Amino acid sequence: DAGVIQSPRHEVTEMGQEVTLRCKPISGHNSLFWYRQTMMRGLELLIYFNNNVPIDDSGMPEDRFSAKMPNASFSTLKIQPSEPRDSAVYFCASSSVRGPVYNEQFFGPGTRLTVL
Amino acid sequence: AQKVTQAQTEISVVEKEDVTLDCVYETRDTTYYLFWYKQPPSGELVFLIRRNSFDEQNEISGRYSWNFQKSTSSFNFTITASQVVDSAVYFCALSEAQTGANNLFFGTGTRLTVIP
Repeated sequence: DAGVIQSPRHEVTEMGQEVTLRCKPISGHNSLFWYRQTMMRGLELLIYFNNNVPIDDSGMPEDRFSAKMPNASFSTLKIQPSEPRDSAVYFCASSSVRGPVYNEQFFGPGTRLTVL
Repeated sequence: AQKVTQAQTEISVVEKEDVTLDCVYETRDTTYYLFWYKQPPSGELVFLIRRNSFDEQNEISGRYSWNFQKSTSSFNFTITASQVVDSAVYFCALSEAQTGANNLFFGTGTRLTVIP
């Protein structure tokens, strides 16, 4: 079975450019999460979706960040304009949530973003 | 308030030694879930185990074992007869049910180095 798929795996861009990260969750999973990992802040949740609806975006750093989930099999995280401090590894994860039961999240391989 | 504490930043052991990774959590919810993830040098996050707050039974999976103690709010992870392939950063995480959120609060991780 295919796991969570993220693209690109590596992205190098210049400050001010728009960056779009993509994620395909595991088929059948109804929750999708975007995390960012940095040395300073560790792993932090940016936003998550249940059934394609954004539930909590309180972790999104600022208006330069936006995320969409147009359907159950695709999500994007966009940064516009990008800044050097956005350099990090961005993980997408998916999970199957049924009622009060919280199942484990499965993570994609991550996208390593470098903003010069 | 920090919800998950992994006090051990780095641990080094010699191959075949046993090692325990500590995790202490904080929550006011009566229903919650605890997780361990492994992040090898390649960077992906690998799910290891999920534990429900109402199930304190310890679990063993091969060389891995987990000790969940609600009385001390701890969920420790022991690797028996460590191997070089166990070298990774290990994250403990918490998900709280009553908040309605499905996100994971991660600890800062423990970097384990197994020396051959």
